[in-house]
Amino acid sequence: DTGVSQNPRHKITKRGQNVTFRCDPISEHNRLYWYRQTLGQGPEFLTYFQNEAQLEKSRLLSDRFSAERPKGSFSTLEIQRTEQGDSAMYLCASSSPSTGYSEAFFGQGTRLTVV
Amino acid sequence: QKEVEQDPGPLSVPEGAIVSLNCTYSNSAFQYFMWYRQYSRKGPELLMYTYSSGNKEDGRFTAQVDKSSKYISLFIRDSQPSDSATYLCAPTLDSSYKLIFGSGTRLLVRP
Repeated sequence: DTGVSQNPRHKITKRGQNVTFRCDPISEHNRLYWYRQTLGQGPEFLTYFQNEAQLEKSRLLSDRFSAERPKGSFSTLEIQRTEQGDSAMYLCASSSPSTGYSEAFFGQGTRLTVV
Repeated sequence: QKEVEQDPGPLSVPEGAIVSLNCTYSNSAFQYFMWYRQYSRKGPELLMYTYSSGNKEDGRFTAQVDKSSKYISLFIRDSQPSDSATYLCAPTLDSSYKLIFGSGTRLLVRP
């Protein structure tokens, strides 16, 4: 499978716990994006990387959220001290310079439930 | 006011109908206009996109952008039950190409 891969697909955690999600982009896609989607809404941009550099972070990304892409390949998104409001689908997308980054392909998402 | 507005639906049509899905936006700096399809509990799937104003056709799908009125449309001809999904419009802004999504329109095509 050469698509964007996200793990885990589902995560249930207790309020106050830390969680980490992983995204493996399409091979040779050097841009990687994180979005968050709540029920009945479109995805909202959180942050993006070009190679290992984090180029932009949304104001939605509070201090409890941190994203990394240490070697410019896979990325992790960590949420510390989870809150019920963090319950959402976390989506990762990647894009390639060969299309001028205009075509972003999404993974299946990680669905987080905070109880 | 959201940057991208989209009627949430649901929009219910019989099989074979022509479907029109629309978005309005407020930021005149948007350059690329993407349409994504999202099935329940899945990630969005890129359908097609246009750059600036104009039309683009791909099979049964036609995308239109009118930058003068800040209006984006997706037409689906000969709709099929398999087209039942949520359709998201998503313009992009600047060189980041981050997507600014509408809330999505849920489409149901009845057999």
